[in-house]
Amino acid sequence: AQSVAQPEDQVNVAEGNPLTVKCTYSVSGNPYLFWYVQYPNRGLQFLLKYITGDNLVKGSYGFEAEFNKSQTSFHLKKPSALVSDSALYFCAVRFYSGGYQKVTFGTGTKLQVIP
Amino acid sequence: EPEVTQTPSHQVTQMGQEVILRCVPISNHLYFYWYRQILGQKVEFLVSFYNNEISEKSEIFDDQFSVERPDGSNFTLKIRSTKLEDSAMYFCASSPISTGLYEQYFGPGTRLTVT
Repeated sequence: AQSVAQPEDQVNVAEGNPLTVKCTYSVSGNPYLFWYVQYPNRGLQFLLKYITGDNLVKGSYGFEAEFNKSQTSFHLKKPSALVSDSALYFCAVRFYSGGYQKVTFGTGTKLQVIP
Repeated sequence: EPEVTQTPSHQVTQMGQEVILRCVPISNHLYFYWYRQILGQKVEFLVSFYNNEISEKSEIFDDQFSVERPDGSNFTLKIRSTKLEDSAMYFCASSPISTGLYEQYFGPGTRLTVT
């Protein structure tokens, strides 16, 4: 079954330190991978995507993610965390099945950046 | 920057009543989606809509649900005979047609509370 997993419910990091939010996937074929962020009382906001090409993709607000095919991972990273990065982060995978596109989200990881 | 809008932001309804959640997608987008997020749980795909018909739906999207694009701008989700377990955030999303390399733009969501 196609799925995506975010093994950490919450990640705490000190302001200024690097952060990593983990995501692994299980999809047959070539996946399209996405990261979204959700601030309180707001909708999901697109951060970045991997379709093909360079394994390291750069997105909004200084975030980047590394696609690792051998480890089936797509971890979200940022070199220096800001307090304003505190939010809920969702990994998602999109794939085609039966001629239609489907999307599956992870359960989300709450990022808490401590001043 | 264009954005997806949703109304109302919060809808309270009694069990058994019908509700209509409204969305205005980004004007040049052609694919439309509904997702829901039960409090504390992950985002779940409900349905996708293209060319005035449903292109894909999940097992959640049963006969209780329907979608419609009544005019050139609105995209609605109707929930008939609401149940307590329908209480959730409902997100609308839209995306432009492309060669498949697109991302979905999400609205801020409608919080549905069924009492």
